[in-house]
Amino acid sequence: AQSVTQLGSHVSVSEGALVLLRCNYSSSVPPYLFWYVQYPNQGLQLLLKYTSAATLVKGINGFEAEFKKSETSFHLTKPSAHMSDAAEYFCAVSRETALIFGKGTTLSVSS
Amino acid sequence: KAGVTQTPRYLIKTRGQQVTLSCSPISGHRSVSWYQQTPGQGLQFLFEYFSETQRNKGNFPGRFSGRQFSNSRSEMNVSTLELGDSALYLCASSLGTSGSRSPDTQYFGPGTRLTVL
Repeated sequence: AQSVTQLGSHVSVSEGALVLLRCNYSSSVPPYLFWYVQYPNQGLQLLLKYTSAATLVKGINGFEAEFKKSETSFHLTKPSAHMSDAAEYFCAVSRETALIFGKGTTLSVSS
Repeated sequence: KAGVTQTPRYLIKTRGQQVTLSCSPISGHRSVSWYQQTPGQGLQFLFEYFSETQRNKGNFPGRFSGRQFSNSRSEMNVSTLELGDSALYLCASSLGTSGSRSPDTQYFGPGTRLTVL
């Protein structure tokens, strides 16, 4: 069955530094993968999704993710962190019509 | 276009009571999914409704149920509340027509925070 694992429950970076949030997937079939962000007291907002069209996926707010089949990874990156990026980030894989989420990674950004 | 709306935003109940949460999807969306978010278990899929029929179901007890109306609005009901049901309940809507080959994007509402005392 499809699942995802997010490595690191908490990541701290300085403003302007590279953001790297890790996600590994497990799937017996080509997966459909997503990254969502959740700000405090809000729902989830889609950052980007992989649907096999291209391995490098660009999303909103300067985020992108690269699908690497050999590493079963779909890590999220942003070249330069901004204070407004502080939030919780979730990687997810689709299983039929459901989304199966990882445990989440909280990103802190310091000035 | 208005987003997904959920009512109420906050709810406090006591053990043994039942509760009904409501979700209005984005106009034109026919699929509504429900998720439970807790600090311990994270985000877990409850069920999905499409055209008034439950199409997919997660691994939750029968105390959790839902329904969908002809206008695609959905309600979720939890009976005989337990302390462990305290959570943020998120509703998500999507077009619902693409199936599993290339899943539609799910758009989430702000959630209903349920506290069980």
